[in-house]
Amino acid sequence: GENVEQHPSTLSVQEGDSAVIKCTYSDSASNYFPWYKQELGKRPQLIIDIRSNVGEKKDQRIAVTLNKTAKHFSLHITETQPEDSAVYFCAASSGLKGGSQGNLIFGKGTKLSVKP
Amino acid sequence: DSGVTQTPKHLITATGQRVTLRCSPRSGDLSVYWYQQSLDQGLQFLIQYYNGEERAKGNILERFSAQQFPDLHSELNLSSLELGDSALYFCASSVLSGRAAGELFFGEGSRLTVL
Repeated sequence: GENVEQHPSTLSVQEGDSAVIKCTYSDSASNYFPWYKQELGKRPQLIIDIRSNVGEKKDQRIAVTLNKTAKHFSLHITETQPEDSAVYFCAASSGLKGGSQGNLIFGKGTKLSVKP
Repeated sequence: DSGVTQTPKHLITATGQRVTLRCSPRSGDLSVYWYQQSLDQGLQFLIQYYNGEERAKGNILERFSAQQFPDLHSELNLSSLELGDSALYFCASSVLSGRAAGELFFGEGSRLTVL
């Protein structure tokens, strides 16, 4: 089955700096790569996602890049703010046979701390 | 508010006991997923149901079982509980969209403490 590795496990940056989180996946059939943000005591929420037919996607200060050949994808946050402090999870989904959507396999998460 | 409702929010029980966690998906969502989140363990996929049928199984223990009912709500049953089962259990739902996976909407979670 799919296996997702995420690095680093913790990341501390100064406000205004950029933050990069990287993930690798094992299943070459995976075709959907979302990123979730989980604030302390809260539920995970989708912040951005990318599909395998796209190499890069951007939404304001957040961008995701995908390298299918190397089987890795990255989250880039620019101009970080204290409210960006949270745990970020990457995930991969290969889809299921028979035309249904697949379950997500998550990385172990990155705890991002943005210092004012 | 994601539209996914989980009950109970907190549950404290003893080793060897059995508990049932309940999840109501967003209106219209046919897929329900269960995840376990332990300290430093991220989100471990347990099981997925689609329109009442089991679709995918992850690292779910044999002591655990789940089902999805005709009204699409789902229950996760945890039996012969051990200390290590203490965790936050999330339910998520999503809209089926052809062959593509899509956004999961998570509930607030059920925090289980086994003493």
